[in-house]
Amino acid sequence: AQSVAQPEDQVNVAEGNPLTVKCTYSVSGNPYLFWYVQYPNRGLQFLLKYITGDNLVKGSYGFEAEFNKSQTSFHLKKPSALVSDSALYFCAVRDDRGSTLGRLYFGRGTQLTVWP
Amino acid sequence: NAGVTQTPKFQVLKTGQSMTLQCAQDMNHEYMSWYRQDPGMGLRLIHYSVGAGITDQGEVPNGYNVSRSTTEDFPLRLLSAAPSQTSVYFCASSQRNRATDTQYFGPGTRLTVL
Repeated sequence: AQSVAQPEDQVNVAEGNPLTVKCTYSVSGNPYLFWYVQYPNRGLQFLLKYITGDNLVKGSYGFEAEFNKSQTSFHLKKPSALVSDSALYFCAVRDDRGSTLGRLYFGRGTQLTVWP
Repeated sequence: NAGVTQTPKFQVLKTGQSMTLQCAQDMNHEYMSWYRQDPGMGLRLIHYSVGAGITDQGEVPNGYNVSRSTTEDFPLRLLSAAPSQTSVYFCASSQRNRATDTQYFGPGTRLTVL
């Protein structure tokens, strides 16, 4: 079964410090991994995705994510957090097998708070 | 491009009422889908469509109907609203139904059923 786990409901970090938002996944076929961000009362905005190739993926707003196949993880990172990064972050996975082809499976979300 | 648009932004219904949530995209995307977002549960797929005239059920389809008469529009109908359908609804689209395609989301409709 396809699934995504975000083990932390909340992550708090001081402005200027590095941040990590964790994500692990389980799929039957090849994993295609996505990160989305949701600001208050807004829709989801696409940040980055891993399809194949380099395990370090760079995305919008200075975010990057590292794909680790052996640990089935796809953690979101940023070297220096900004207060404006405070939002709800979702990890998601799509698989390429059978009847669930293309379906996007979401984690429960991690609320990131960056304090000044 | 307006991207993915949704109307209304907010709606309050009484139990048993019906309504249609509108979704439109101007990117000529083949794939469109509806999700609901509930606290602590992430987003769950309700229905999806891989092209005009083709729809299928997602993870939580009960109580909802969809149709896709054009590439641009994908309305979601609530047949007889129930309090359990109180949620935030998001429409999304992607170029095709490939696992590598990025889905783009609308701003959402916040629905309350009393």
